[in-house]
Amino acid sequence: QKEVEQNSGPLSVPEGAIASLNCTYSDRGSQSFFWYRQYSGKSPELIMFIYSNGDKEDGRFTAQLNKASQYVSLLIRDSQPSDSATYLCAGLNDYKLSFGAGTTVTVRA
Amino acid sequence: EAGVAQSPRYKIIEKRQSVAFWCNPISGHATLYWYQQILGQGPKLLIQFQNNGVVDDSQLPKDRFSAERLKGVDSTLKIQPAKLEDSAVYLCASSFTQGFRETQYFGPGTRLLVL
Repeated sequence: QKEVEQNSGPLSVPEGAIASLNCTYSDRGSQSFFWYRQYSGKSPELIMFIYSNGDKEDGRFTAQLNKASQYVSLLIRDSQPSDSATYLCAGLNDYKLSFGAGTTVTVRA
Repeated sequence: EAGVAQSPRYKIIEKRQSVAFWCNPISGHATLYWYQQILGQGPKLLIQFQNNGVVDDSQLPKDRFSAERLKGVDSTLKIQPAKLEDSAVYLCASSFTQGFRETQYFGPGTRLLVL
């Protein structure tokens, strides 16, 4: 079983819509979770991280964490064509970051 | 602030050859990571250094991969001999320390193709 699993893509949304990305993790010792965005051929860049249950908002992005359900999500509001990328979910446990395979999002103009 | 630097950016070698990658982390960052990212997958941690000591190398194929971080700054990752399945992007990342809120910053990566 993979430590971090993401909903299979690709995900296609129209411009201005909400993109919803989901991630589940198996290691209950995971302390914090990170969402990275990776454009094709580029390296991952951090969007946001979350370590407490509940919601965390940053601009058009909202991360949600539910430790009881071992579930993390990322909502992208008012999606823009520039949001088209692969989104990587990662969980941190014992200083080690484990990544999911990523979900590719395409925003249609 | 300068980001994580890596070189070379691209490398093509034949199987059984050797190759080395170099990484210079963000100034002041004590923790350095090497990841392998195969096409269509998320990055996989190969080795993690705290200053010049190894914190985790459990997923490093030690029969062919080696890494060092002399003086706690720059790091090199070596593959000897390379196999076809080593074709991937090798990402170096660094963070100020290794706390649970620490952000890892990634370099541009080295794309390796083994023929």
